[in-house]
Amino acid sequence: DSGVTQTPKHLITATGQRVTLRCSPRSGDLSVYWYQQSLDQGLQFLIHYYNGEERAKGNILERFSAQQFPDLHSELNLSSLELGDSALYFCASSQGQSYGYTFGSGTRLTVV
Amino acid sequence: DQQVKQNSPSLSVQEGRISILNCDYTNSMFDYFLWYKKYPAEGPTFLISISSIKDKNEDGRFTVFLNKSAKHLSLHIVPSQPGDSAVYFCAASVRGGSARQLTFGSGTQLIVLP
Repeated sequence: DSGVTQTPKHLITATGQRVTLRCSPRSGDLSVYWYQQSLDQGLQFLIHYYNGEERAKGNILERFSAQQFPDLHSELNLSSLELGDSALYFCASSQGQSYGYTFGSGTRLTVV
Repeated sequence: DQQVKQNSPSLSVQEGRISILNCDYTNSMFDYFLWYKKYPAEGPTFLISISSIKDKNEDGRFTVFLNKSAKHLSLHIVPSQPGDSAVYFCAASVRGGSARQLTFGSGTQLIVLP
């Protein structure tokens, strides 16, 4: 157990739907990062939050949004889902804005 | 545009021998490099890193080499063990900015044969 909790582990939904992925960082970690891993691809950076504030955006679609709450957990919202959004979505956390990421075990999203 | 490339999707090595995983990058602004290991159904776990001011970093059986002029880094595992069988991701980061987002390669599946 890495200490980073992601729920749900698996999600199957239909095109056009909206889903919310949840991440609880390790205790004491203020930074949360979201990454997407599509088939045979490396992890693509989506977004970074630090202590509730958005710090950086990567290749995140406009249909996707995220937030970090006062208790530091984070949610990634994916809307108007398309088949190509099927992927593993990883959350990672770190104490500050350091390189020392700890990843969760991911949420596998399947859009049918 | 893939800024970090791992050109070998898979590698098979005999137990006890050396495993060499390679990674190339194109962005000369990258100044910190990391290797992560990933088992099925788990998230990536940090393995070893190297700053651009160094050309070698060693941690037990794992050594990372950086060749800045060639924009190339490699991970050596000696001796290889069956438990090392996993997907290995190379990642890189740019100095500065308020975030530490990493740019990952597509991974190399290492299979260590007993």
